[in-house]
Amino acid sequence: NAGVMQNPRHLVRRRGQEARLRCSPMKGHSHVYWYRQLPEEGLKFMVYLQKENIIDESGMPKERFSAEFPKEGPSILRIQQVVRGDSAAYFCASSTTGSRDQPQHFGDGTRLSIL
Amino acid sequence: AQTVTQSQPEMSVQEAETVTLSCTYDTSESDYYLFWYKQPPSRQMILVIRQEAYKQQNATENRFSVNFQKAAKSFSLKISDSQLGDAAMYFCAYRSALDKLIFGTGTRLQVFP
Repeated sequence: NAGVMQNPRHLVRRRGQEARLRCSPMKGHSHVYWYRQLPEEGLKFMVYLQKENIIDESGMPKERFSAEFPKEGPSILRIQQVVRGDSAAYFCASSTTGSRDQPQHFGDGTRLSIL
Repeated sequence: AQTVTQSQPEMSVQEAETVTLSCTYDTSESDYYLFWYKQPPSRQMILVIRQEAYKQQNATENRFSVNFQKAAKSFSLKISDSQLGDAAMYFCAYRSALDKLIFGTGTRLQVFP
């Protein structure tokens, strides 16, 4: 049973470009969470999605960031017009349900570097 | 809003010895989950142990155990018989009613042979 798959592992973009980060949850998992980890800091929640629905986006910056989890295919975190401050590791986690007793399983993360 | 505090940026331990990592949190909820995650240099996030606030008994997973003090809002992690492979960043996390995880800032654990 494959774990949470994130790609790419590393992504380099120039300022002003778009970054698209992909996350395929574990088989049977329909709940996806995105977290951002700035250098030397803990992970910060960004957004929580179920298939085709955004449940909680309270941690998402209001501009340039968007997320989706379509009926078919991976969840996508999109960052438009990237800036240096977007450089971070972005982690995706999935769980079977949104219930608190179900642990969130993490992918290996995407390290985004902005030149 | 809930907060999680890890007051030890770095800790070190000798191989085969025991070390305790501290974590405190603040919440007004009565039912919640607490977790410890390990992040080695590879940057994976690995679940180490979890505790349901409703349960009095402290969780244990092999060499890892917690000391959960609900009234004090304290959730420390004890690693027994430390191994070189235990060297990593350790994050304490709280799972809120809205299901997102709230992480502390982490403790970097070094293990010396």
